[in-house]
Amino acid sequence: EAGVTQFPSHSVIEKGQTVTLRCDPISGHDNLYWYRRVMGKEIKFLLHFVKESKQDESGMPNNRFLAERTGGTYSTLKVQPAELEDSGVYFCASSQPGTSGTNTQYFGPGTRLTVL
Amino acid sequence: AQSVTQLDSHVSVSEGTPVLLRCNYSSSYSPSLFWYVQHPNKGLQLLLKYTSAATLVKGINGFEAEFKKSETSFHLTKPSAHMSDAAEYFCVVRPYGQNFVFGPGTRLSVLP
Repeated sequence: EAGVTQFPSHSVIEKGQTVTLRCDPISGHDNLYWYRRVMGKEIKFLLHFVKESKQDESGMPNNRFLAERTGGTYSTLKVQPAELEDSGVYFCASSQPGTSGTNTQYFGPGTRLTVL
Repeated sequence: AQSVTQLDSHVSVSEGTPVLLRCNYSSSYSPSLFWYVQHPNKGLQLLLKYTSAATLVKGINGFEAEFKKSETSFHLTKPSAHMSDAAEYFCVVRPYGQNFVFGPGTRLSVLP
């Protein structure tokens, strides 16, 4: 079984540019999560999809961030325009259908974003 | 607000000696608790989870953790460290009906 994959693994962009991160969850996982770890800080929740619907987007930092999950399969996270403080590692995770708090989340390797 | 404290940002042990990574949490309700590990350039991998069953939880690679409600702790242990255990470890709390709350991580070094 393929795990959660993320693309690209690294991205270096200049301030003001746009970047789109992609996450492919494990097949059959309805739940998809985005997290972010900025340098020296904790991993923070960004948002949660159930299929194609945003269940919780309380962690999104501001309206420069846009997440989509068309068709309930892969998801994209777009940052437009990128700012210096957006640098960090963006993780995606997925879990099986249902909202049980005990559902294991399976994480991708992350995308390291550097904004210059 | 829920929070997770990992008391040591870095732990260094010799190969073959015990490992103890400490985690304390605050949560209004009985949470689910997890330990994840991240090796360099890899995704976070689940080591073990506590879901209100047995308080002593056994995970992969010889790790285990004990849930102590009175102490609000969920410390991770392993009897004998291996070089391949060198990684960063995250304690995670999921309060009922809420999202994951991560601790800051503990980097484990294993010396030969």
